[in-house]
Amino acid sequence: AQSVAQPEDQVNVAEGNPLTVKCTYSVSGNPYLFWYVQYPNRGLQFLLKYITGDNLVKGSYGFEAEFNKSQTSFHLKKPSALVSDSALYFCAVRDWANTPLVFGKGTRLSVIA
Amino acid sequence: GAGVSQSPSNKVTEKGKDVELRCDPISGHTALYWYRQRLGQGLEFLIYFQGNSAPDKSGLPSDRFSAERTGESVSTLTIQRTQQEDSAVYLCASSPLGGGTQYFGPGTRLTVL
Repeated sequence: AQSVAQPEDQVNVAEGNPLTVKCTYSVSGNPYLFWYVQYPNRGLQFLLKYITGDNLVKGSYGFEAEFNKSQTSFHLKKPSALVSDSALYFCAVRDWANTPLVFGKGTRLSVIA
Repeated sequence: GAGVSQSPSNKVTEKGKDVELRCDPISGHTALYWYRQRLGQGLEFLIYFQGNSAPDKSGLPSDRFSAERTGESVSTLTIQRTQQEDSAVYLCASSPLGGGTQYFGPGTRLTVL
């Protein structure tokens, strides 16, 4: 069975500093990995995905994520955080195309001015 | 183009009543998913439609929950005899044929009194 772990419920970072939101996964086959962001009272917005290819994936709003197969991780990163990045971030995985996603419990990111 | 839309955005009902939630996927997307997000939790898969194939109902929590989809368009999620534990945000997502990113609607917030 697939699973995703986001070990931090909350991440606080000062504006302008780099940020990392952690995600580890477990799948039986090759992973399809995703990051979504949720702003208050909004649906989920797609940020980026890893299917195959380069381990460093670049996405929307300056975010990137690094796929590490040996550590089964897919951490979300941004070099310089903005206050507007404050939101709830979800990592998700599936093991082949067009199947339901399995989500982590989410990490609340708070960027402090 | 237009994204995934859901209606109503908010629904308040009394325990024991039936409710219907609607999802309009992105035009041309063959796959449609329903998820549930309880307060402070990640997303929980409910049901998945792919073209004309039989839906994957493995995530439905009880026989009070059902869903239909007309061809590759609108889907309705029905909850019969609602209970207070059904209170959650119900999110719909769609994705194109052959896999790819799931795009989410804004959700329906259901409150069962």
